[in-house]
Amino acid sequence: EDKVVQSPLSLVVHEGDTVTLNCSYEVTNFRSLLWYKQEKKAPTFLFMLTSSGIEKKSGRLSSILDKKELFSILNITATQTGDSAVYLCAFRGGNTGKLIFGQGTTLQVKP
Amino acid sequence: DGGITQSPKYLFRKEGQNVTLSCEQNLNHDAMYWYRQDPGQGLRLIYYSQIVNDFQKGDIAEGYSVSREKKESFPLTVTSAQKNPTAFYLCASSIDGGPGNTIYFGEGSWLTVV
Repeated sequence: EDKVVQSPLSLVVHEGDTVTLNCSYEVTNFRSLLWYKQEKKAPTFLFMLTSSGIEKKSGRLSSILDKKELFSILNITATQTGDSAVYLCAFRGGNTGKLIFGQGTTLQVKP
Repeated sequence: DGGITQSPKYLFRKEGQNVTLSCEQNLNHDAMYWYRQDPGQGLRLIYYSQIVNDFQKGDIAEGYSVSREKKESFPLTVTSAQKNPTAFYLCASSIDGGPGNTIYFGEGSWLTVV
């Protein structure tokens, strides 16, 4: 059965800290891995990763995929209180386009 | 503005009643999805549709029904057969069902059954 596991489940840091969120997966037909940020309501898209070893970067956020070891990490540097959210990792397999989500990591950034 | 509109945002219903959640998109996307999120958990797929007049069950379809009569609309009915319907429901869409396309989400609907 395909599954996605995120760790840690929750994390509390102070502003300015750097955090690394982990996502490991076991899938039969990997196509892509996506990261989303969810603040109360709709998840907002952060990154889509399809190739190993290529870092995607957007401001203070970056992500990389290791298809050999079946994991991805999301890094946030110089965290701010506005980074507080649930971060969701999801993989897409097969040809249907549907996403399989992990349980999410809840990040709280304290002032 | 282009986007995905879900309504209502908050809905209270008595046990045993069917409820329908609306999802409309003006992004001209072919594929649409319904997910359910319970507190402290990730999203689980209920139903998805890759094209008009066609849809497939996701991982937790029991107690739910959908229709896809128009490209822009994908309503979800939570029936009385759903044992634990109280949850946050998210509608999403993508250009098509291809694996290289991003999925975008609506703002969600909170359903509370009392």
